[in-house]
Amino acid sequence: EPEVTQTPSHQVTQMGQEVILRCVPISNHLYFYWYRQILGQKVEFLVSFYNNEISEKSEIFDDQFSVERPDGSNFTLKIRSTKLEDSAMYFCASGSRYNEQFFGPGTRLTVL
Amino acid sequence: DAKTTQPTSMDCAEGRAANLPCNHSTISGNEYVYWYRQIHSQGPQYIIHGLKNNETNEMASLIITEDRKSSTLILPHATLRDTAVYYCIVRVPNNQGGKLIFGQGTELSVKP
Repeated sequence: EPEVTQTPSHQVTQMGQEVILRCVPISNHLYFYWYRQILGQKVEFLVSFYNNEISEKSEIFDDQFSVERPDGSNFTLKIRSTKLEDSAMYFCASGSRYNEQFFGPGTRLTVL
Repeated sequence: DAKTTQPTSMDCAEGRAANLPCNHSTISGNEYVYWYRQIHSQGPQYIIHGLKNNETNEMASLIITEDRKSSTLILPHATLRDTAVYYCIVRVPNNQGGKLIFGQGTELSVKP
């Protein structure tokens, strides 16, 4: 059964460093998403991506964040200068036409 | 997107049916009801969705009341692996961005 994959599973970085989180969505999906979950809190929407452009973003998704689909298979989330409060689980999701979203296992980002 | 109300927690005996209620009294005519679950530390998992007819798949059944103001997710024979937080989300599919807004959900504990 096809699934969304994410790498790395755990990323530790120093405050102020850039990180790139990678996702491989399900191959025939057209909609791509990033969500995050701070420990003990709700899953929060960050950004959606369709037709090679951002279709919606939340207030969390400020200028420090960017997304890219560089090669038609990978979908990346970049945080330019990490802050302590960026520590969270980051989930990638992809969706079909009827918008069931399928989530990856997540990347745990720890900012020190 | 319409707001939903779910009980904070529920218990269920292993092998019995788990019935998880959701109230969505302000749902509009083009909004669907989606159910997801999140097993501890994993990515959210799509379960089922529907508009007004009852739906069934290999994981669960979804019963939507005739006035569409509430619904019930039924896990017919709960197992220990069904212990998770279950989220009822009401939204229009394919709206701008297609984001999912997660509430607090129902924490289901399946006990031996």
